[in-house]
Amino acid sequence: EDQVTQSPEALRLQEGESSSLNCSYTVSGLRGLFWYRQDPGKGPEFLFTLYSAGEEKEKERLKATLTKKESFLHITAPKPEDSATYLCAVRSAGNMLTFGGGTRLMVKP
Amino acid sequence: DSGVTQTPKHLITATGQRVTLRCSPRSGDLSVYWYQQSLDQGLQFLIQYYNGEERAKGNILERFSAQQFPDLHSELNLSSLELGDSALYFCASSVAGRPQETQYFGPGTRLLVL
Repeated sequence: EDQVTQSPEALRLQEGESSSLNCSYTVSGLRGLFWYRQDPGKGPEFLFTLYSAGEEKEKERLKATLTKKESFLHITAPKPEDSATYLCAVRSAGNMLTFGGGTRLMVKP
Repeated sequence: DSGVTQTPKHLITATGQRVTLRCSPRSGDLSVYWYQQSLDQGLQFLIQYYNGEERAKGNILERFSAQQFPDLHSELNLSSLELGDSALYFCASSVAGRPQETQYFGPGTRLLVL
């Protein structure tokens, strides 16, 4: 059974204070690791897909990396508008997308 | 805006009742997925359809059912509702339902069962 664990559960940062969110996974035959951002009461918004160890993707202040056991979402010089819950999910050969519990990020001005 | 639409946005009903949630996928997407998000369970996959056919089943209760119509929109039917069914219900869509494809989520339907 696929498993995804995200840490920390919550993270408070000052504006401009860089940090990383962790996503550890156990999956049989990874077909993709997905990062989403979710604002309260809204649907998850797609950020990145990573397919193989060593792959990296960047978008504005966010950078996602992937190893064989975990993925990191690095946030550089965050701004208050980056405050949200960040969700990690994995998909194996089956058709279920398995989500972690998320990291709730709060960026103070 | 992901291009996935869901109606209604909010739904308040009583225990024992039946409701129907509706989803329209992004233009060109053939596969639709339903998810439930509650405070204690996180995002849980319920069911997937591809071009009208059921493709995969997750943690979907027997009281719940879904279908995808020829115009590709999908409906999730929840019956004999219980207090614990209160949650956010999301629909997502992807092009062909393959495991490596990105799923794009709709804005969700918030269901409150009183």
